[in-house]
Amino acid sequence: AQTVTQSQPEMSVQEAETVTLSCTYDTSENNYYLFWYKQPPSRQMILVIRQEAYKQQNATENRFSVNFQKAAKSFSLKISDSQLGDTAMYFCAFMKETSGSRLTFGEGTQLTVNP
Amino acid sequence: DSGVTQTPKHLITATGQRVTLRCSPRSGDLSVYWYQQSLDQGLQFLIQYYNGEERAKGNILERFSAQQFPDLHSELNLSSLELGDSALYFCASSGGGVNNEQFFGPGTRLTVL
Repeated sequence: AQTVTQSQPEMSVQEAETVTLSCTYDTSENNYYLFWYKQPPSRQMILVIRQEAYKQQNATENRFSVNFQKAAKSFSLKISDSQLGDTAMYFCAFMKETSGSRLTFGEGTQLTVNP
Repeated sequence: DSGVTQTPKHLITATGQRVTLRCSPRSGDLSVYWYQQSLDQGLQFLIQYYNGEERAKGNILERFSAQQFPDLHSELNLSSLELGDSALYFCASSGGGVNNEQFFGPGTRLTVL
């Protein structure tokens, strides 16, 4: 079974600064996908970024980028130029590379962006 | 807006009762997933349906059941409710193939009193 661990329950950052959220996972699979989801106070689950394990290049989406270290089973999210709207719970998630696989989530990190 | 709809948004009921949560997937998506988000268990996968058939089961209690209908909407039935069943229940849908993103609905907030 896969496990996902987020060791930072809460983090805070000043507006316009950069913050990094950590995630580690455990799996015996070689091919899989990793995701970061954002859950703002509205409770909607929003996909922030995804990474395919077979790709060596780290994924980027505007101000969001990841540092994917496959051997270390580490998948951190970097948010640059933090904005007040980035305040949310962030979940790291794992999915096996098989058709219609479930998502396995970490415990979440509550990020607060301060003005 | 993800295109996934869930009804009702909020549900308040008493212990021992039975409720039904409804989910309509995005147009064309064949797979529906149910997840439960609670304070003590976090976000966990309950069950998945693909084109009307059960595809995978997670940590779903025997008191809970689900089905997917021919029009692809899905229902999650929760019976003999306990206080600990209070949670946010999400439905997500995807095309069902490999490398398909799951799109989440807004969730149903269930409160058991």
